[in-house]
Amino acid sequence: DAKTTQPPSMDCAEGRAANLPCNHSTISGNEYVYWYRQIHSQGPQYIIHGLKNNETNEMASLIITEDRKSSTLILPHATLRDTAVYYCIVRVPRDNYGQNFVFGPGTRLSVLP
Amino acid sequence: KAGVTQTPRYLIKTRGQQVTLSCSPISGHRSVSWYQQTPGQGLQFLFEYFSETQRNKGNFPGRFSGRQFSNSRSEMNVSTLELGDSALYLCASSLVGAAYEQYFGPGTRLTVT
Repeated sequence: DAKTTQPPSMDCAEGRAANLPCNHSTISGNEYVYWYRQIHSQGPQYIIHGLKNNETNEMASLIITEDRKSSTLILPHATLRDTAVYYCIVRVPRDNYGQNFVFGPGTRLSVLP
Repeated sequence: KAGVTQTPRYLIKTRGQQVTLSCSPISGHRSVSWYQQTPGQGLQFLFEYFSETQRNKGNFPGRFSGRQFSNSRSEMNVSTLELGDSALYLCASSLVGAAYEQYFGPGTRLTVT
């Protein structure tokens, strides 16, 4: 699976959009981009994933560049409850070998009042 | 639909003892994965089970083992506990299929004294 690079920390003002970048320059054509977040001492929470097209759900939007070498997770209106560590993971679908995700150190997002 | 449940939530054991942790996946999810999270190593994959068979294994010693039952519930066991086994142990379940996301439980906090 391709490696990802994320900034170690970011701040965002409450009510503003939080834009979390992820670099995955070695991504291959069949690798998906997943985003998870982990609020202190809780299990990671799935946010969104995508392959090529931009994706949106009730939690966030995922913007993937045309060359797929980077992506941005957008939380449109950040709240204090969005303070968490955000993980960007690139993964090859390989159901016959089983499911596992490789988590890096992620980005610690602090939403400030 | 109920989420992934893990029991117990907290556990204190002594060096040399063994421990068994339990995980009930989301209804309909047949793949169950286990992860260990420590401050120093982050989130690390332990193993994954599907249809009562271990399909994938991380780089952990043989003291760490697991199993899955016919109802997809899973247990993991750690024998001869060491101080370094103190960690948050997380279980995740997913549907069978290459690109499906994993959903995590709240974790079991194990402290070895």
